[in-house]
Amino acid sequence: QKEVEQDPGPLSVPEGAIVSLNCTYSNSAFQYFMWYRQYSRKGPELLMYTYSSGNKEDGRFTAQVDKSSKYISLFIRDSQPSDSATYLCAMGRGAQKLVFGQGTRLTINP
Amino acid sequence: GAVVSQHPSRVICKSGTSVKIECRSLDFQATTMFWYRQFPKKSLMLMATSNEGSKATYEQGVEKDKFLINHASLTLSTLTVTSAHPEDSSFYICSVPGGAYEKLFFGSGTQLSVL
Repeated sequence: QKEVEQDPGPLSVPEGAIVSLNCTYSNSAFQYFMWYRQYSRKGPELLMYTYSSGNKEDGRFTAQVDKSSKYISLFIRDSQPSDSATYLCAMGRGAQKLVFGQGTRLTINP
Repeated sequence: GAVVSQHPSRVICKSGTSVKIECRSLDFQATTMFWYRQFPKKSLMLMATSNEGSKATYEQGVEKDKFLINHASLTLSTLTVTSAHPEDSSFYICSVPGGAYEKLFFGSGTQLSVL
């Protein structure tokens, strides 16, 4: 079993839709949870960061962490074509040694 | 603005040559930097941890003689792919920890193609 599982997609939704991206993990020691956005042939860009459980909101993006279920989510409201990218979840005990999900390829259709 | 600068963005080389990739931390002094490798449609795989002033720490299965890492200053780490072969073709990305809560910032990546 992989430490972090993420559905690779691809996921295609119409513009304006709410997008839900998810990851599950097996290591209960993970404390730091992050979401990165990666455009094709570019380095990942940090989108959201959460320490331990709870919700965090930043504009159209909401990150949720449920440590009891070992499940994290990223919601994108009012999705835009510019949101089309690969989204990677990442987590770790210390932020420096992160374990990454496979990434979900998302396309927002105008 | 960019926190991490990585160069070059793309390299095409002949088999048997060596290629050097630079990673510069622009906003933070970095005693530690990380090097990742990413295959198409795959996740990032940590290759090694670059330590300023000392030897790099390599992940299991990564050849230290193939992937030479030098971290000579608090703002610069280099990865040299020695005697590159086609199977070394990949996307290489560096990262720097920094800011509050030990966030990890990534360079723009280097696409290496070995012919």
